[in-house]
Amino acid sequence: KAGVTQTPRYLIKTRGQQVTLSCSPISGHRSVSWYQQTPGQGLQFLFEYFSETQRNKGNFPGRFSGRQFSNSRSEMNVSTLELGDSALYLCASSLWNGGADEQFFGPGTRLTVL
Amino acid sequence: LAKTTQPISMDSYEGQEVNITCSHNNIATNDYITWYQQFPSQGPRFIIQGYKTKVTNEVASLFIPADRKSSTLSLPRVSLSDTAVYYCLVGALSAGAGSYQLTFGKGTKLSVIP
Repeated sequence: KAGVTQTPRYLIKTRGQQVTLSCSPISGHRSVSWYQQTPGQGLQFLFEYFSETQRNKGNFPGRFSGRQFSNSRSEMNVSTLELGDSALYLCASSLWNGGADEQFFGPGTRLTVL
Repeated sequence: LAKTTQPISMDSYEGQEVNITCSHNNIATNDYITWYQQFPSQGPRFIIQGYKTKVTNEVASLFIPADRKSSTLSLPRVSLSDTAVYYCLVGALSAGAGSYQLTFGKGTKLSVIP
């Protein structure tokens, strides 16, 4: 069974640009969650999608957005990048509910904003 | 929204039992408690999950007291390969339209010494 895949693995952008990250969940998983990981703040919940709908959102500004397609693949977008957006962005999939089910994490996308 | 607190770091010798405690004073009735392990440059990996009392699997045990305001991950006879960061996650089941928050602790860096 293939694991969660994320593309690209590394990305370098400059302030003001926008970026789109992609996540392919494990086959059959319908819930996809996104997290931002930084040394100072640790793992922070961005949002979760289920059946193409955003089911919950963490405390991030509107520059962070996402979507989920009918095949459960998900993308997240960050517009008007800031230096503080440099982080490891992790995607996790689960069968139904990331809180109550085991989440399977991808390797992450390392975003560097210059 | 449950806030979680864990020790920042712990050291242990090989072969010893390690107990890592996470505090989550305002855990909600529907919240599950899940522990993840993360190695450098990888996404977190599921270790164990519980709701109350004790849960044991092939790699760890999870102890949750009756008031559920804390939980303790127990790793028996650790080896060098257990050197990693351990996170506790407290999350609520979705209800109705599906709305929940997932809160990770800042993580405990476990160093196993030969």
